[in-house]
Amino acid sequence: QSALTQPDSVSGSPGQSITISCTGTSSDVGTYNTVSWYQQYPGKAPKLIISEVSNRPSGVSNRFSGSKSGNTASLTISGLQAEDEADYYCNSYTTSNTVLFGGGTKLTVL
Amino acid sequence: QVQLQESGPGLVKPSETLSLTCAVYGFSISTNYYWGWIRQPPGKGLEWIGSIYVGGNTYYNPSLKSRVTISEDRSKNQFSLNLTSVTAADTAVYYCARGHTVMITIAYWGPGTLVTVSS
Repeated sequence: QSALTQPDSVSGSPGQSITISCTGTSSDVGTYNTVSWYQQYPGKAPKLIISEVSNRPSGVSNRFSGSKSGNTASLTISGLQAEDEADYYCNSYTTSNTVLFGGGTKLTVL
Repeated sequence: QVQLQESGPGLVKPSETLSLTCAVYGFSISTNYYWGWIRQPPGKGLEWIGSIYVGGNTYYNPSLKSRVTISEDRSKNQFSLNLTSVTAADTAVYYCARGHTVMITIAYWGPGTLVTVSS
């Protein structure tokens, strides 16, 4: 099974909005509303920021939002802040009863 | 508050078996969640290794399935990972975690432990 496809890097200026895509197939992202997104700082464990495509756990800023269209899920961060600079990963359940992660996207705040 | 803590050797020789344990605090592993392992090679992305569900049902990454065993010890409220025949490619930070539906919606992670495979 191949990893979900994410851009290696994205960047934006403070206050702007950015979107990170997560492309899978009809065997994972396209079939289930089970995409989660995680934020990871260097040397730290990932943190859940979006579950089930668009649900924000308690305590997560409403600047983070998620959506899905077909085989592609997206994470949007609005009002970009310096503290958002981190790595972001998506993951999804699959029809093979397994789980996939995306390759990760490095967000740079200019 | 749910807390997970990995433990095990930080150095394993090639061809040997990597063994890690995850102790869970503040929550029983005998509940309807999936408990699993995820690894991250230095400078690279996350890779799901496998998961175990209450009752002992296991789920493994097909690329690692022949070498992986995940087990639980309910009396100690912990679960374990065994990865056999390791090579340098298995060098990574290993995380234990609690999630849903095999291993998504991972709200709780251990801090991670670096395991280096080297002679």
